[in-house]
Amino acid sequence: QQQVKQSPQSLIVQKGGIPIINCAYENTAFDYFPWYQQFPGKGPALLIAIRPDVSEKKEGRFTISFNKSAKQFSLHIMDSQPGDSATYFCAASISGAGSYQLTFGKGTKLSVIP
Amino acid sequence: DAGVIQSPRHEVTEMGQEVTLRCKPISGHDYLFWYRQTMMRGLELLIYFNNNVPIDDSGMPEDRFSAKMPNASFSTLKIQPSEPRDSAVYFCASRPQGGTEAFFGQGTRLTVV
Repeated sequence: QQQVKQSPQSLIVQKGGIPIINCAYENTAFDYFPWYQQFPGKGPALLIAIRPDVSEKKEGRFTISFNKSAKQFSLHIMDSQPGDSATYFCAASISGAGSYQLTFGKGTKLSVIP
Repeated sequence: DAGVIQSPRHEVTEMGQEVTLRCKPISGHDYLFWYRQTMMRGLELLIYFNNNVPIDDSGMPEDRFSAKMPNASFSTLKIQPSEPRDSAVYFCASRPQGGTEAFFGQGTRLTVV
């Protein structure tokens, strides 16, 4: 059973566009939602994270929007650049468990065309 | 700190052989995670340790897989015997107690032929 569903699988946008990646979760016990960015040949790295007590979080050009009632969250990349081309993973975990064990979506491969 | 260090970066082995993947977590991190990444299944958690003790190994696919953490600075993931369907990128990640961010190594790309 996939607990975090991510879409789309791949995404191509032109430089300056605003790619949007969506995730939906099932387990209402999840209370920590990070996004990880992975470049080819590298491990995933934390990009931005949100907790369900806020509906939006911005860090630079990256924004997470969170809809607790719909159990959905999304990543927006403003003014996208070719250097943003990477695979993006949403994830979810339960902080009360102590381990912050991450359940990942399957990833979205983003290509930003110059 | 050099980050999470995994070795080897690439491993090609024949079906039936034993494979050992190695990980050195970031010093001071109490949690260590092993993940497997494939196109079909994405990133799957195999096992994680807290203070060198295995806590949850429910993601280990079968008895051919085993993991150890003999001390705070070293962990291994062993596959014996290996099969072609084990081909994947295996990541190790670590996290400090009380922290939320998992720090990943660069991964080991395993190919079983």
